Amino acid sequence: NAGVTQTPKFQVLKTGQSMTLQCAQDMNHNSMYWYRQDPGMGLRLIYYSASEGTTDKGEVPNGYNVSRLNKREFSLRLESAAPSQTSVYFCASSVTGVDNQPQHFGDGTRLSIL
Amino acid sequence: GEDVEQSLFLSVREGDSSVINCTYTDSSSTYLYWYKQEPGAGLQLLTYIFSNMDMKQDQRLTVLLNKKDKHLSLRIADTQTGDSAIYFCAEGTGGGNKLTFGTGTQLKVEL
Repeated sequence: NAGVTQTPKFQVLKTGQSMTLQCAQDMNHNSMYWYRQDPGMGLRLIYYSASEGTTDKGEVPNGYNVSRLNKREFSLRLESAAPSQTSVYFCASSVTGVDNQPQHFGDGTRLSIL
Repeated sequence: GEDVEQSLFLSVREGDSSVINCTYTDSSSTYLYWYKQEPGAGLQLLTYIFSNMDMKQDQRLTVLLNKKDKHLSLRIADTQTGDSAIYFCAEGTGGGNKLTFGTGTQLKVEL
């Protein structure tokens, strides 16, 4: 019963390096999300995907790209990492179209940019 | 745009009740959620309330909603050390189930 799985759990990058964070869910959910969590700021939505083949910007999309590879997987890419992107990144998924179903979260990726 | 506010810290003694408060701005929210985050982990859904309800009780948890004032609270009865965590309030903004989260309230339970 894996739920939402994120890899890697920890990563340290140098400024300017690129990286892809992976997320997969096994709950047959249509919608998937990427958030970042910073102290005192809660969770802020980076990108989301309401269904396979569609992606939309959230509150803080600059510096990121996403790919909804298939129904299960939603990846987040940092093309040129900056220290301001040091954060904890969470992936989530949910059912769509059946009232407002809760989102289910992965355990996060802790990313440090030096 | 939507905004959700919470106080950052709350400290209580073990066995006391904890009340975590949240205010939101989007009157079109259909669901309001409480999530719990333990150290080093992701967010776990604790409970949620539909916007046409005033109260929901689930074991030690009581959620109160004042829709007029856009105020939501989470009461934890008989607070235990295992309740120490960050608690996030979130509102459902419709269309693709996007949520807006508050800043989180760090609950510390002292012996």
